[in-house]
Amino acid sequence: KNQVEQSPQSLIILEGKNCTLQCNYTVSPFSNLRWYKQDTGRGPVSLTIMTFSENTKSNGRYTATLDADTKQSSLHITASQLSDSASYICVVSPRRTGNQFYFGTGTSLTVIP
Amino acid sequence: NAGVTQTPKFRVLKTGQSMTLLCAQDMNHEYMYWYRQDPGMGLRLIHYSVGEGTTAKGEVPDGYNVSRLKKQNFLLGLESAAPSQTSVYFCASRPDSTGMTKNIQYFGAGTRLSVL
Repeated sequence: KNQVEQSPQSLIILEGKNCTLQCNYTVSPFSNLRWYKQDTGRGPVSLTIMTFSENTKSNGRYTATLDADTKQSSLHITASQLSDSASYICVVSPRRTGNQFYFGTGTSLTVIP
Repeated sequence: NAGVTQTPKFRVLKTGQSMTLLCAQDMNHEYMYWYRQDPGMGLRLIHYSVGEGTTAKGEVPDGYNVSRLKKQNFLLGLESAAPSQTSVYFCASRPDSTGMTKNIQYFGAGTRLSVL
C-alpha cells in the first residue's frame, strides 16, 4: 500500500534551535518528493522538490535530504524563527507527470521564544 | 498576482442543504484539484481536472460533483450536505509541464465547512 508517514506528529522547540523532521514512504514507483509548509489557516506552500537522483536540496534555512534506497527523507530547519511555526507536509509523486500525489499527515512545529 | 482564490472562506450548512465552492486561478494552469483535509489525515483528493471541460474522480468523490466550464474556474458542489463532509477544502492548480521545478501545485487558502 502506498503510504507516507511523518514523524514526529508535533514538535516544540526554542527559537534559534535546529530541528529535523522525518518522512518515510512506501510509494512505488517513485518520481519525486516535495516538502510543503502550511501556516495555520492557509494552504500548503512548496519548500523543496527532489527527484530520486537528488540527495539534498536547500531553500534558505530549510534543507531537505532524500535516500531513495531506504525511502526516507528529512527536512532540517536551521536557526529556527517564530515564523517557522507551521505544519510541514511531505508529498510523494509516483510519476513525473500525472495527478497522483500521496500526502503525509504532517508534523506540527511550534517555535517558542 | 492573486494565484488561487477560494470562496467562501467559511460556511455553515444544515444537513441536506446544498452549496457550491468556487476556485479561481489566474496562472493559466491546466490542472486543477479539490482536496479535503481532516484532522490526523493527509490531504485527500476529491476530484480533479486536466483541462477545461474535463473532470475526473479522485480518492473520495462520493457526495461531491465538480465542473470546469472555464479554464480558470473549478467548482465543487455538495448536493445534499452531510455531517461527514465537515472539513477544510483546498483547491490547487498546477501547470502542464514536465519541468520538475514548474510541476508544483499551488494551493488556495481553504474553505472551512461545517455541516450541522
